Amino acid sequence: GESVGLHLPTLSVQEGDNSIINCAYSNSASDYFIWYKQESGKGPQFIIDIRSNMDKRQGQRVTVLLNKTVKHLSLQIAATQPGDSAVYFCAENKRDRGSTLGRLYFGRGTQLTVWP
Amino acid sequence: DVKVTQSSRYLVKRTGEKVFLECVQDMDHENMFWYRQDPGLGLRLIYFSYDVKMKEKGDIPEGYSVSREKKERFSLILESASTNQTSMYLCASSQGVLAAHTDTQYFGPGTRLTVL
Repeated sequence: GESVGLHLPTLSVQEGDNSIINCAYSNSASDYFIWYKQESGKGPQFIIDIRSNMDKRQGQRVTVLLNKTVKHLSLQIAATQPGDSAVYFCAENKRDRGSTLGRLYFGRGTQLTVWP
Repeated sequence: DVKVTQSSRYLVKRTGEKVFLECVQDMDHENMFWYRQDPGLGLRLIYFSYDVKMKEKGDIPEGYSVSREKKERFSLILESASTNQTSMYLCASSQGVLAAHTDTQYFGPGTRLTVL
């Protein structure tokens, strides 16, 4: 079954505010996490990733935080812009027993809407 | 930049037709994946391949087959299309198990398939 989930299915923020999108995972063996952004009618686009030996990673206007104690992942977007409106997916990478290939397990996504 | 292309953005087929969805990546990636995406169900893995002529079933392989004759190309085949296969189909690729950051998957733009 799917082990990655989201706290909120939708999030609305005002332009310029910071956004925080949350994700819970249940598999402590997962070693790698990714955030994707999917705009309407397009494929998911890689935003940022983090390995399980890290707690925080920053990109351009985005920060991913990983709390392994409570199996929680978050994506923070600074100064949110209308172009950030999209569905955001978290994904965890887990190597199934006996397999050399990691598989990504996706959350269902959070719809972020940015109001002017 | 990684580029994953899919042969069609929109496709309309009739029940019982044989359907081919083509995916090409230009980054010499080892691994390729086919997903379908449906509202409320998220991304579900159909098949994946970690080498030429190799394939493995994902979570929902029934009604589908795949072909990987060349490293850069991964085809999804619907032997006899049915209306419940109406969906968005997404292809992805990733680098390989030995390289750093091996498991980030890069997605194509998707093919919206409608089966009448």
